[in-house]
Amino acid sequence: SQQGEEDPQALSIQEGENATMNCSYKTSINNLQWYRQNSGRGLVHLILIRSNEREKHSGRLRVTLDTSKKSSSLLITASRAADTASYFCATVQGAQKLVFGQGTRLTINP
Amino acid sequence: DSGVTQTPKHLITATGQRVTLRCSPRSGDLSVYWYQQSLDQGLQFLIQYYNGEERAKGNILERFSAQQFPDLHSELNLSSLELGDSALYFCASSVDSGAREGELFFGEGSRLTVL
Repeated sequence: SQQGEEDPQALSIQEGENATMNCSYKTSINNLQWYRQNSGRGLVHLILIRSNEREKHSGRLRVTLDTSKKSSSLLITASRAADTASYFCATVQGAQKLVFGQGTRLTINP
Repeated sequence: DSGVTQTPKHLITATGQRVTLRCSPRSGDLSVYWYQQSLDQGLQFLIQYYNGEERAKGNILERFSAQQFPDLHSELNLSSLELGDSALYFCASSVDSGAREGELFFGEGSRLTVL
């Protein structure tokens, strides 16, 4: 079963605009992670936010977490063509396994 | 480069056959995870090993098996292959026993095509 569900499934914006992706999950979490995947490549970890944190920044990335709504958002500011990729949220289900959502496919148009 | 190495990168085989996918984790990482990514199922967790022992199991079919060796590399064995087994198979590693505390480092995947 998928723990995280990303929204929207696909997003297409112009270069320079901001991109926001959302993730909802079902059970209580210890942390929530965001990953990026270029087409056909391996996933790359972007950022981890713990359950006691509300917001975290890393370069052009901003992640928020609302545990009361069981949701998180990933904001990419000043998007670039190189940001074109799929973005996944992931949460730990059970003791060990990291479960991924279906992902948001982001396209940045030059 | 994540430091996780997967071989082979591409594999084409026929239904009913058996294949072995290999993974070398990052130096120092004790946990190895296997994931299957297909268009219709997304990224599915299969199994995790920690320091040679099975630690967590996901939606892994009985036709699939895995193990982690003393040198910490891992192999995923897929047998009696079906068309639906065509997918990208990812290996990931982490330094600790689970994903509760930190990130996973993914390999570039093995693309399996079953004809």
